[in-house]
Amino acid sequence: DIQMTQSPASLSASVGETVTITCGASENIYGALNWYQRKQGKSPQLLIYGATNLADGMSSRFSGSGSGRQYSLKISSLHPDDVATYYCQNVLITPWTFGGGTKLEIK
Amino acid sequence: EVKLVESGGGLVQPGGSLRLSCATSGFTFTDYYMSWVRQPPGKALEWLGFIRNKANGYTTEYSASVKGRFTISRDNSQSILYLQMNTLRAEDSATYYCARDISGSSTWYFDVWGAGTTVTVSS
Repeated sequence: DIQMTQSPASLSASVGETVTITCGASENIYGALNWYQRKQGKSPQLLIYGATNLADGMSSRFSGSGSGRQYSLKISSLHPDDVATYYCQNVLITPWTFGGGTKLEIK
Repeated sequence: EVKLVESGGGLVQPGGSLRLSCATSGFTFTDYYMSWVRQPPGKALEWLGFIRNKANGYTTEYSASVKGRFTISRDNSQSILYLQMNTLRAEDSATYYCARDISGSSTWYFDVWGAGTTVTVSS
């Protein structure tokens, strides 16, 4: 199975800041990488697919980048509504595997 | 509006069985792969498996952690997805989600998720 490792596990930042979450795969996943946002008490919501494509309806403050084994999610101009846990997901080969999550809080 | 609504969760003893349902609406059910994903308390998301669409013969694929114990099926006449869980263990305690798969030539993702149903395995 492809292992996905996210960092940091938790993150605290101020409104207006830019933050970056990283996700590493145990092998090259050729951009087959998604990001999901999960707010407290809600189900996960697709944020980025194919490493760089913003999902419909999601804010352009979110952007994804990366290739090979290393990927990043950048959140610009942090809003209070961005408080959530963010997960990356490998979709190159089944089993689809998720990272351990990054919990984002506002200072 | 696309909707997925899970049901069937609850408290079950170790070794017991449970069947979860995912009622769907708002889309042509047979056109889509459908997945089950779970999240144990305080832990990460875990994909359990999927069932393919009509074009791909409704075949299934599972993660190693549940293969042989869990079975995914679908009632295409009623647009309902099922997860039959047998020989349940304490580590199967989790919130279980159904999700719709979007699969393309170079992409795959879950575009819609249900709200989840909670399963607790305990004596």
